[in-house]
Amino acid sequence: ETGVTQTPRHLVMGMTNKKSLKCEQHLGHNAMYWYKQSAKKPLELMFVYSLEERVENNSVPSRFSPECPNSSHLFLHLHTLQPEDSALYLCASSQLTGDEQYFGPGTRLTVT
Amino acid sequence: LAKTTQPISMDSYEGQEVNITCSHNNIATNDYITWYQQFPSQGPRFIIQGYKTKVTNEVASLFIPADRKSSTLSLPRVSLSDTAVYYCLVGISGSARQLTFGSGTQLTVLP
Repeated sequence: ETGVTQTPRHLVMGMTNKKSLKCEQHLGHNAMYWYKQSAKKPLELMFVYSLEERVENNSVPSRFSPECPNSSHLFLHLHTLQPEDSALYLCASSQLTGDEQYFGPGTRLTVT
Repeated sequence: LAKTTQPISMDSYEGQEVNITCSHNNIATNDYITWYQQFPSQGPRFIIQGYKTKVTNEVASLFIPADRKSSTLSLPRVSLSDTAVYYCLVGISGSARQLTFGSGTQLTVLP
């Protein structure tokens, strides 16, 4: 049990849909992260929230919108996605940014 | 930025010791070195972290030379279940800098 949960585990959505991914950590950490991992590629950091302040990767398209209402919850809002956005989306948390990260099981997203 | 470089893949046999080296020539003074293990379709899992010399835990050892420009993850007596991708990262507590997972090393353990 990693202490980081993600829902849903699998999601299939059309390009015109709007959906949200949810992440929750039960570890009392202050930093949370969203990563994208496409098939046979390394993880790409999308967003970091530390003490509810966002640090973002400027290469992430605006169709991905993060939200961190408190230090335990993190959302990734998705709209008008493209097929190339199909990937495993991983959430992680750590005590402070840059510390040892604990990852959730991921959401397998398929955009049709 | 301290970019990391690792071998793309390695093969080993069950029961052998495996050493995976990571180069980080531009590591900063306050950076730590962290290794993660990832199985297919799962999130990475922390293995070990160190700053200098040698660190050992119940699953691995981490060797860091004095110049800190490289590090070696040592897995003793690997089994088939150690087949995974191994990533090294360098970073500093309290900073989002350097949070880049490289390509990692695909370790395949053969029977």
